[in-house]
Amino acid sequence: DSGVTQTPKHLITATGQRVTLRCSPRSGDLSVYWYQQSLDQGLQFLIQYYNGEERAKGNILERFSAQQFPDLHSELNLSSLELGDSALYFCASSESIADDYEQYFGPGTRLTVT
Amino acid sequence: LAKTTQPISMDSYEGQEVNITCSHNNIATNDYITWYQQFPSQGPRFIIQGYKTKVTNEVASLFIPADRKSSTLSLPRVSLSDTAVYYCLVGDGDFGNEKLTFGTGTRLTIIP
Repeated sequence: DSGVTQTPKHLITATGQRVTLRCSPRSGDLSVYWYQQSLDQGLQFLIQYYNGEERAKGNILERFSAQQFPDLHSELNLSSLELGDSALYFCASSESIADDYEQYFGPGTRLTVT
Repeated sequence: LAKTTQPISMDSYEGQEVNITCSHNNIATNDYITWYQQFPSQGPRFIIQGYKTKVTNEVASLFIPADRKSSTLSLPRVSLSDTAVYYCLVGDGDFGNEKLTFGTGTRLTIIP
Protein backbone atom coordinates (compact mmCIF):
# COMPACT_ATOMS: atom_id res chain seq x y z
CA ASP A 1 0.00 0.00 0.00
CA SER A 2 1.59 3.24 -1.20
CA GLY A 3 -0.59 5.46 0.95
CA VAL A 4 -2.06 7.16 -2.11
CA THR A 5 -5.77 6.61 -2.63
CA GLN A 6 -7.78 7.05 -5.80
CA THR A 7 -11.49 6.92 -6.36
CA PRO A 8 -13.36 5.51 -8.07
CA LYS A 9 -11.54 2.30 -8.92
CA HIS A 10 -13.59 1.76 -12.06
CA LEU A 11 -15.68 4.14 -14.12
CA ILE A 12 -17.79 3.39 -17.16
CA THR A 13 -19.35 6.25 -19.04
CA ALA A 14 -20.51 7.26 -22.48
CA THR A 15 -18.90 9.46 -25.08
CA GLY A 16 -19.50 13.14 -24.57
CA GLN A 17 -19.83 12.83 -20.82
CA ARG A 18 -17.74 14.41 -18.08
CA VAL A 19 -16.12 12.61 -15.15
CA THR A 20 -14.05 13.54 -12.12
CA LEU A 21 -11.28 11.38 -10.74
CA ARG A 22 -10.10 11.94 -7.19
CA CYS A 23 -6.73 11.45 -5.56
CA SER A 24 -5.59 11.73 -1.97
CA PRO A 25 -1.80 11.90 -1.63
CA ARG A 26 0.31 10.32 1.08
CA SER A 27 0.23 12.20 4.33
CA GLY A 28 2.68 15.08 4.13
CA ASP A 29 3.28 14.90 0.39
CA LEU A 30 2.81 18.23 -1.34
CA SER A 31 3.31 17.15 -4.96
CA VAL A 32 0.61 15.38 -6.93
CA TYR A 33 1.10 14.01 -10.43
CA TRP A 34 -1.46 12.67 -12.87
CA TYR A 35 -0.60 10.07 -15.51
CA GLN A 36 -2.56 8.33 -18.25
CA GLN A 37 -1.80 4.78 -19.36
CA SER A 38 -3.61 3.42 -22.38
CA LEU A 39 -3.64 -0.28 -23.21
CA ASP A 40 -0.09 -1.54 -23.75
CA GLN A 41 1.24 2.01 -23.64
CA GLY A 42 3.70 3.64 -21.36
CA LEU A 43 2.77 6.14 -18.73
CA GLN A 44 2.04 9.58 -20.14
CA PHE A 45 2.58 12.46 -17.75
CA LEU A 46 -0.40 14.80 -17.70
CA ILE A 47 0.09 17.43 -15.02
CA GLN A 48 1.75 18.17 -11.68
CA TYR A 49 0.59 20.25 -8.74
CA TYR A 50 2.64 21.31 -5.78
CA ASN A 51 0.99 22.69 -2.67
CA GLY A 52 -2.06 23.83 -4.60
CA GLU A 53 -0.25 25.39 -7.54
CA GLU A 54 0.14 23.98 -11.03
CA ARG A 55 3.85 23.27 -11.58
CA ALA A 56 4.14 21.52 -14.90
CA LYS A 57 2.04 20.32 -17.78
CA GLY A 58 2.67 17.35 -19.99
CA ASN A 59 0.50 15.82 -22.70
CA ILE A 60 -2.77 16.95 -21.21
CA LEU A 61 -5.63 17.64 -23.58
CA GLU A 62 -7.57 20.88 -23.36
CA ARG A 63 -10.67 18.82 -22.51
CA PHE A 64 -8.90 17.73 -19.33
CA SER A 65 -8.26 19.89 -16.29
CA ALA A 66 -7.09 19.35 -12.76
CA GLN A 67 -6.77 21.11 -9.46
CA GLN A 68 -5.29 20.57 -6.04
CA PHE A 69 -7.28 21.69 -3.04
CA PRO A 70 -6.08 23.22 0.26
CA ASP A 71 -6.23 19.80 1.93
CA LEU A 72 -3.87 18.63 -0.88
CA HIS A 73 -6.24 16.17 -2.49
CA SER A 74 -6.49 16.53 -6.24
CA GLU A 75 -9.13 16.03 -8.87
CA LEU A 76 -8.74 15.35 -12.57
CA ASN A 77 -11.70 16.42 -14.68
CA LEU A 78 -12.21 14.82 -18.07
CA SER A 79 -14.89 16.29 -20.32
CA SER A 80 -16.37 15.63 -23.76
CA LEU A 81 -15.09 12.11 -23.41
CA GLU A 82 -14.05 10.15 -26.45
CA LEU A 83 -13.48 6.43 -26.92
CA GLY A 84 -9.74 7.07 -26.98
CA ASP A 85 -9.84 8.43 -23.45
CA SER A 86 -10.38 4.92 -22.14
CA ALA A 87 -7.31 4.23 -20.03
CA LEU A 88 -5.90 3.76 -16.57
CA TYR A 89 -5.38 7.07 -14.81
CA PHE A 90 -2.78 7.10 -12.07
CA CYS A 91 -2.13 9.64 -9.43
CA ALA A 92 1.23 9.81 -7.70
CA SER A 93 2.49 11.90 -4.83
CA SER A 94 5.90 12.98 -3.67
CA GLU A 95 7.30 14.98 -0.81
CA SER A 96 9.27 17.18 -3.17
CA ILE A 97 8.57 19.50 -6.03
CA ALA A 98 11.38 17.79 -7.93
CA ASP A 99 10.30 14.76 -9.91
CA ASP A 100 13.45 12.74 -9.36
CA TYR A 101 12.27 12.19 -5.82
CA GLU A 102 10.48 8.90 -5.28
CA GLN A 103 6.91 9.08 -6.50
CA TYR A 104 4.28 6.95 -4.77
CA PHE A 105 1.56 5.77 -7.09
CA GLY A 106 -2.04 5.08 -6.30
CA PRO A 107 -3.94 1.99 -7.52
CA GLY A 108 -5.36 3.88 -10.48
CA THR A 109 -8.82 4.55 -11.88
CA ARG A 110 -9.81 2.48 -14.88
CA LEU A 111 -11.96 4.60 -17.18
CA THR A 112 -13.98 2.96 -19.92
CA VAL A 113 -15.73 5.18 -22.41
CA THR A 114 -18.42 3.45 -24.48
CA LEU B 1 15.85 15.99 -21.18
CA ALA B 2 17.84 12.81 -21.70
CA LYS B 3 16.09 10.22 -23.84
CA THR B 4 16.33 6.63 -22.72
CA THR B 5 16.37 3.43 -24.73
CA GLN B 6 15.73 0.03 -23.21
CA PRO B 7 14.76 -3.36 -24.62
CA ILE B 8 11.07 -3.84 -25.23
CA SER B 9 11.00 -7.27 -23.62
CA MET B 10 13.16 -9.91 -21.93
CA ASP B 11 12.62 -13.46 -20.75
CA SER B 12 14.51 -15.23 -17.99
CA TYR B 13 14.24 -18.40 -15.93
CA GLU B 14 13.54 -18.47 -12.24
CA GLY B 15 16.63 -18.28 -10.08
CA GLN B 16 18.70 -16.47 -12.69
CA GLU B 17 20.20 -13.01 -12.38
CA VAL B 18 18.57 -10.56 -14.77
CA ASN B 19 20.28 -7.48 -16.12
CA ILE B 20 18.28 -4.79 -17.91
CA THR B 21 20.34 -2.12 -19.61
CA CYS B 22 19.16 1.38 -20.35
CA SER B 23 20.96 3.72 -22.74
CA HIS B 24 20.93 7.45 -22.07
CA ASN B 25 23.60 8.96 -24.29
CA ASN B 26 22.52 12.54 -23.65
CA ILE B 27 22.49 12.36 -19.87
CA ALA B 28 23.27 15.70 -18.26
CA THR B 29 25.62 16.37 -15.41
CA ASN B 30 22.86 16.84 -12.87
CA ASP B 31 20.69 13.93 -14.00
CA TYR B 32 19.89 11.02 -11.74
CA ILE B 33 18.91 7.56 -13.00
CA THR B 34 15.79 6.04 -11.51
CA TRP B 35 14.10 2.67 -12.06
CA TYR B 36 10.48 1.79 -11.42
CA GLN B 37 8.64 -1.54 -11.54
CA GLN B 38 5.03 -1.92 -12.64
CA PHE B 39 2.79 -4.96 -12.25
CA PRO B 40 -0.31 -5.29 -14.45
CA SER B 41 -3.10 -2.90 -13.50
CA GLN B 42 -1.04 -1.41 -10.67
CA GLY B 43 0.82 1.84 -10.33
CA PRO B 44 4.61 1.84 -10.75
CA ARG B 45 6.79 1.30 -7.71
CA PHE B 46 10.18 2.90 -7.13
CA ILE B 47 13.01 0.35 -7.15
CA ILE B 48 16.31 2.16 -7.05
CA GLN B 49 18.06 5.40 -7.93
CA GLY B 50 21.68 6.30 -8.55
CA TYR B 51 24.03 8.91 -9.89
CA LYS B 52 27.27 7.03 -10.54
CA THR B 53 29.12 3.75 -9.84
CA LYS B 54 27.00 1.22 -8.00
CA VAL B 55 23.97 1.37 -5.77
CA THR B 56 22.49 -1.64 -4.01
CA ASN B 57 19.38 -2.07 -1.93
CA GLU B 58 17.36 -5.02 -0.70
CA VAL B 59 15.76 -5.72 -4.08
CA ALA B 60 18.22 -4.68 -6.81
CA SER B 61 21.55 -3.24 -7.81
CA LEU B 62 22.17 -0.40 -10.22
CA PHE B 63 25.43 -0.24 -12.12
CA ILE B 64 26.45 3.02 -13.76
CA PRO B 65 29.71 3.23 -15.74
CA ALA B 66 31.99 6.22 -15.50
CA ASP B 67 30.62 7.89 -18.64
CA ARG B 68 27.04 7.47 -17.33
CA LYS B 69 25.72 6.96 -20.85
CA SER B 70 24.05 3.75 -19.79
CA SER B 71 22.94 1.98 -16.66
CA THR B 72 22.11 -1.61 -15.77
CA LEU B 73 19.45 -2.74 -13.36
CA SER B 74 20.39 -6.09 -11.87
CA LEU B 75 17.80 -8.33 -10.24
CA PRO B 76 19.40 -11.25 -8.37
CA ARG B 77 17.80 -14.68 -8.44
CA VAL B 78 14.50 -13.67 -9.98
CA SER B 79 11.23 -15.37 -9.18
CA LEU B 80 7.90 -15.49 -10.97
CA SER B 81 6.78 -12.48 -8.96
CA ASP B 82 9.41 -10.35 -10.68
CA THR B 83 7.41 -10.55 -13.92
CA ALA B 84 6.62 -6.90 -14.57
CA VAL B 85 7.46 -3.87 -16.69
CA TYR B 86 10.61 -2.02 -15.68
CA TYR B 87 11.06 1.66 -16.50
CA CYS B 88 14.31 3.60 -16.66
CA LEU B 89 14.04 7.34 -16.10
CA VAL B 90 16.71 9.99 -16.34
CA GLY B 91 16.36 13.56 -15.15
CA ASP B 92 17.56 16.17 -12.74
CA GLY B 93 14.29 16.86 -11.01
CA ASP B 94 13.99 20.34 -12.46
CA PHE B 95 10.33 21.06 -12.23
CA GLY B 96 10.20 22.80 -15.56
CA ASN B 97 7.98 21.56 -18.28
CA GLU B 98 10.34 18.74 -19.23
CA LYS B 99 9.20 16.05 -16.87
CA LEU B 100 10.58 12.62 -16.30
CA THR B 101 9.05 10.31 -18.90
CA PHE B 102 8.32 6.66 -18.28
CA GLY B 103 8.20 5.50 -21.88
CA THR B 104 7.10 1.95 -22.60
CA GLY B 105 9.67 0.21 -20.40
CA THR B 106 11.01 -3.34 -20.58
CA ARG B 107 8.52 -6.16 -20.15
CA LEU B 108 10.30 -8.86 -18.14
CA THR B 109 8.79 -12.33 -18.15
CA ILE B 110 10.09 -14.94 -15.72
CA ILE B 111 9.73 -18.52 -16.89
CA PRO B 112 9.29 -21.32 -14.37
